[in-house]
Amino acid sequence: AQTVTQSQPEMSVQEAETVTLSCTYDTSESDYYLFWYKQPPSRQMILVIRQEAYKQQNATENRFSVNFQKAAKSFSLKISDSQLGDAAMYFCAYRSAGNGNKLVFGAGTILRVKS
Amino acid sequence: DAGVIQSPRHEVTEMGQEVTLRCKPISGHDYLFWYRQTMMRGLELLIYFNNNVPIDDSGMPEDRFSAKMPNASFSTLKIQPSEPRDSAVYFCASSLGFVSGEAFFGQGTRLTVV
Repeated sequence: AQTVTQSQPEMSVQEAETVTLSCTYDTSESDYYLFWYKQPPSRQMILVIRQEAYKQQNATENRFSVNFQKAAKSFSLKISDSQLGDAAMYFCAYRSAGNGNKLVFGAGTILRVKS
Repeated sequence: DAGVIQSPRHEVTEMGQEVTLRCKPISGHDYLFWYRQTMMRGLELLIYFNNNVPIDDSGMPEDRFSAKMPNASFSTLKIQPSEPRDSAVYFCASSLGFVSGEAFFGQGTRLTVV
């Protein structure tokens, strides 16, 4: 079964600085999607960035980028120029291409941004 | 589109009562997921459907939990009888096949069982 591990329960970053959130996953599949979702205090789940496993190039969305290491099954999120609005819970997620297209999440990392 | 719509937003019920949570997925989406979020367990996948058919219900914690999807535009998650440990935020999400993989979430239902 696919599992997603986020080993950092909580992280802090100074405003305007850069922070990296870690995620590893376990799978025997070769085709899948990886995601980072953000959950602010409003509890709405917001997609931050997605990565297709077949793409070697790391995905980038403005200040958000990922470091996708397929062989190591690692998928970290880098937030550059951190802003107060980035403070939230961040979830890493894996979606299987087979196995019924299941979508599973890690435990989450709380990100605090200091002004 | 209005997005995934869940109702109610908040539910407070007494232990032993039946609780029904509702979800309307985004029109045209063929996958629907139910998740439960707690501080202790994070975001757990309870059950998911493809074209209204349950694919995997291995995450449903007990027989007290049941889910249905009678048509493409409606799903329910029922807890009968409810217990205090069922208190959590329940999310519904939908997606369009595996085209982009992304799931769109509703606002969630905060359930409190007293």
